[in-house]
Amino acid sequence: EAGVTQSPTHLIKTRGQQATLRCSPISGHTSVYWYQQALGLGLQFLLWYDEGEERNRGNFPPRFSGRQFPNYSSELNVNALELEDSALYLCASSLGLAYNEQFFGPGTRLTVL
Amino acid sequence: SQQGEEDPQALSIQEGENATMNCSYKTSINNLQWYRQNSGRGLVHLILIRSNEREKHSGRLRVTLDTSKKSSSLLITASRAADTASYFCATAFSGGYQKVTFGTGTKLQVIP
Repeated sequence: EAGVTQSPTHLIKTRGQQATLRCSPISGHTSVYWYQQALGLGLQFLLWYDEGEERNRGNFPPRFSGRQFPNYSSELNVNALELEDSALYLCASSLGLAYNEQFFGPGTRLTVL
Repeated sequence: SQQGEEDPQALSIQEGENATMNCSYKTSINNLQWYRQNSGRGLVHLILIRSNEREKHSGRLRVTLDTSKKSSSLLITASRAADTASYFCATAFSGGYQKVTFGTGTKLQVIP
């Protein structure tokens, strides 16, 4: 069974541009979570989608947004990129409830120059 | 602020020794989970302990939970070089909304 996949692996952008990150959950999982992990730091919760709806959102500005498609895959968009957006962005999926075990993808390394 | 705080921030031990990491949290939880992250990669789920459980084992891992002290510990016995990674606790609560919050992690180095 395929795990959570994320694309691209690496993304290099310049300040002010927009970035789009993609995530495909494990088959059968309806929930997708996005986290930001800046270098050497813990995970900061960004967004949680379940059944196509945004269920919860972390303490991030509105330029961080996303969506979940009917096939449960998800997209994270970051507009007006800033240097401090450089981080590893991790996607996870789970069966429904947020407090179930989460399965993580390998991450997308975003570098903003 | 972070719900889970791991302690120590970093730990270096010799292969074969035991490693203990602690996690403290602030509010009531539904469950607490431990994850491992190898350098710059995704996290791997290790173990989940529910709020009504006090201890759980999985292979060389032992997790305890003390809800009165709002703390948990992860013990890795007979450590191996391959255990070198960062370990995160994640607290899950559902007081009207569902959320999982990760701590800042403990970086473990096992020296061969």
